[in-house]
Amino acid sequence: DTEVTQTPKHLVMGMTNKKSLKCEQHMGHRAMYWYKQKAKKPPELMFVYSYEKLSINESVPSRFSPECPNSSLLNLHLHALQPEDSALYLCASSQGPLVVGGRDTQYFGPGTRLTVL
Amino acid sequence: GENVEQHPSTLSVQEGDSAVIKCTYSDSASNYFPWYKQELGKRPQLIIDIRSNVGEKKDQRIAVTLNKTAKHFSLHITETQPEDSAVYFCAAVYNKLIFGAGTRLAVHP
Repeated sequence: DTEVTQTPKHLVMGMTNKKSLKCEQHMGHRAMYWYKQKAKKPPELMFVYSYEKLSINESVPSRFSPECPNSSLLNLHLHALQPEDSALYLCASSQGPLVVGGRDTQYFGPGTRLTVL
Repeated sequence: GENVEQHPSTLSVQEGDSAVIKCTYSDSASNYFPWYKQELGKRPQLIIDIRSNVGEKKDQRIAVTLNKTAKHFSLHITETQPEDSAVYFCAAVYNKLIFGAGTRLAVHP
């Protein structure tokens, strides 16, 4: 089973709202990722969790707050977002953390389509 | 820093023709090169990958070649079908995935 699941599929929120995106995998993977994808662009890495610890933060604004409650779950908490944050948010996982010269494969979830009004 | 360049940005072919997408990478340390297909509104889906110990890998109508000396890798799709229409991303693995900019492939019946 190479499935990563994400909820919700769609989310519309105002700039003053607080919401959360959820991601789950049951493949025993120890690395999980959040990406943001704008139309016609490749996914853009936001955060990496390795063995449930935050290992990479790609200088993401603090209005995005990741959380990894356990090895199967990854959350992205959203607060005071801007309209330009509207995008497809993708979660991904890999067996182990990606390393230079490594050979792990990364699998993506279906994404959450976020619209900020 | 690490960089992956991908060409062409758009590719239009007739059904049954072949399609080739080419990528180059900057840092020779990478050993693993996955290809993802993304249909409109869907997730990037891994379709094939290649590791540095082989020069070519095939899976039915899809093949990938790797030239480590030149730091080039390419995706070849033969006998294209309309359902092959999608955006294709090449990538190189470092401590994260470095994606190419993507190729929008359109296969016309």
